[in-house]
Amino acid sequence: EIVLTQSPGALSLSPGEGATLSCRASQRVSSSYLAWYQQRPGQAPRLLIFAASNRATDIPDRFSGSGSGTDFTLTISRLEPEDFATYYCQRYGPSPPYTFGQGTRLEIK
Amino acid sequence: QVRLQESGPGLVKPSGTLSLTCIVSGGSISRASKWWTWVRQPPGKGLEWIGEIYDNGSTNYNPSLESRVTMSVDTSKNEFSLKLSSVTGADTAVYYCARGSGAAGLGYWGQGSLVTVSS
Repeated sequence: EIVLTQSPGALSLSPGEGATLSCRASQRVSSSYLAWYQQRPGQAPRLLIFAASNRATDIPDRFSGSGSGTDFTLTISRLEPEDFATYYCQRYGPSPPYTFGQGTRLEIK
Repeated sequence: QVRLQESGPGLVKPSGTLSLTCIVSGGSISRASKWWTWVRQPPGKGLEWIGEIYDNGSTNYNPSLESRVTMSVDTSKNEFSLKLSSVTGADTAVYYCARGSGAAGLGYWGQGSLVTVSS
C-alpha cells in the first residue's frame, strides 16, 4: 500500500499570505491520479485539484498543484478567510487501495 | 447538477451490520462510466477510503476492511449501498458517498452521515 505523508501537520498564516502544502508518497505515484481536497469544519471534502495540477470546476486560480513521482505540492497564493480549512491529498489510481494523506490544517494566525 | 445523499440508521449495535444507501439525483448511475465510492471519517480524524463500485457491479475494497465490506448498486433506483459487518466502536464515523470519474478524482460528494456504534 502506498502511504501519503502530508507536511506540515498544521500551518498558521495570515490572510493575504501564501501557503505551500506538501504531500510525499512512499512509492512513485502517477501524476494522473493525485488529487487535493479542501474540507471545512462540518462539511464534506471538496475537490480542488485532480491529476496533480488541474483545477476542478469553479476552483479559484489562487489554488495550484504541482509535482511528480513521490513529491507533490498544493500552493495557495493570497490566502482568503474561506481558505482556512484542512487539506488532504489522495492517490486515486491506477490500482487500489486509494489512500489519503493525514491532512494539513491551515489556521488563521 | 449531480447530487448524492446518504441515508441509513445513525446508531448501530456492536457486532451488528452498518447499512447505508447513497441516493443519486441529477444523473443516471447506469452507463455513467463512474466509480461510486464510500469514504469515512472518524470524529476528529482524517479520511479513509472504504471502496468503490462501478455501474456494472465491479468492486474494489480497502484491504483493511475487505472481509467485512459489501457494496452494491441498484440502477433501477439510481442508488448504491454499503454494508459493513461485525462493527465495533472503531467504525464510528461520518460516512460519505462520492462519485469518481477516472483521472478526475472524487468530484461530487454527499453531505455525510454520522454512524455511531454503541449499545
